[in-house]
Amino acid sequence: QVTLKESGPGILQPSQTLSLTCSFSGFSLSTYGMCVGWIRQSSGKGLEWLANIWWNDDKYYNPSLKNRLTISKDTSNNQAFLKITNMDTADTATYYCARDSSYMDYFDYWGQGVMVTVSS
Amino acid sequence: DTVLTQSPALAVSPGERVTISCRASESVSTRMHWYQQKPGQQPKLLIYGASNLESGVPARFSGSGSGTDFTLTIDPVEANDTATYFCQQSWNEYTFGAGTKLELK
Repeated sequence: QVTLKESGPGILQPSQTLSLTCSFSGFSLSTYGMCVGWIRQSSGKGLEWLANIWWNDDKYYNPSLKNRLTISKDTSNNQAFLKITNMDTADTATYYCARDSSYMDYFDYWGQGVMVTVSS
Repeated sequence: DTVLTQSPALAVSPGERVTISCRASESVSTRMHWYQQKPGQQPKLLIYGASNLESGVPARFSGSGSGTDFTLTIDPVEANDTATYFCQQSWNEYTFGAGTKLELK
């Protein structure tokens, strides 16, 4: 059974760095072709893909946010991570991690999401 | 960016057939996927590769299209299909449509 679960700080102040963790089970990020992505959802912008990390440590970022994003993984502990620097109120959203296990690059399993609020 | 355009809302009666459209600003081949999201829940994959039904998804759901024009069909619609439906392309990076909110009359 594949499950993913996001964790994060809940609330942070503008200009701070957001650190998110995706803990997953039922698959391994060392398996050929496996990938974990991060997607966020805000009321103003709908669903927005942020970044992907692949089994071979390839990383792919949304060009509009690339300068602020860092994705990484800990294969032995079945975790993926996302850092976003210089957070702004516009980054307030629910952040999801999801599995991408196909060359067609769709997200077949999603975590429940973690709400992140940026406020002073 | 490849922009995906969806109609914002639809209202249908249970038992009817509904088609939800998604138009891409440029060709995405068949790299179009559909998700269902109910309030307070994460998105759920329904269709991948434009027309492939995800395992466990009822056969009432189907997808079609290629290039720039895609359709998600639900036939017949049931009461618990009330949700927002998103399309997503993975041909040119990854983008999502703004979603179509399906309501039942």
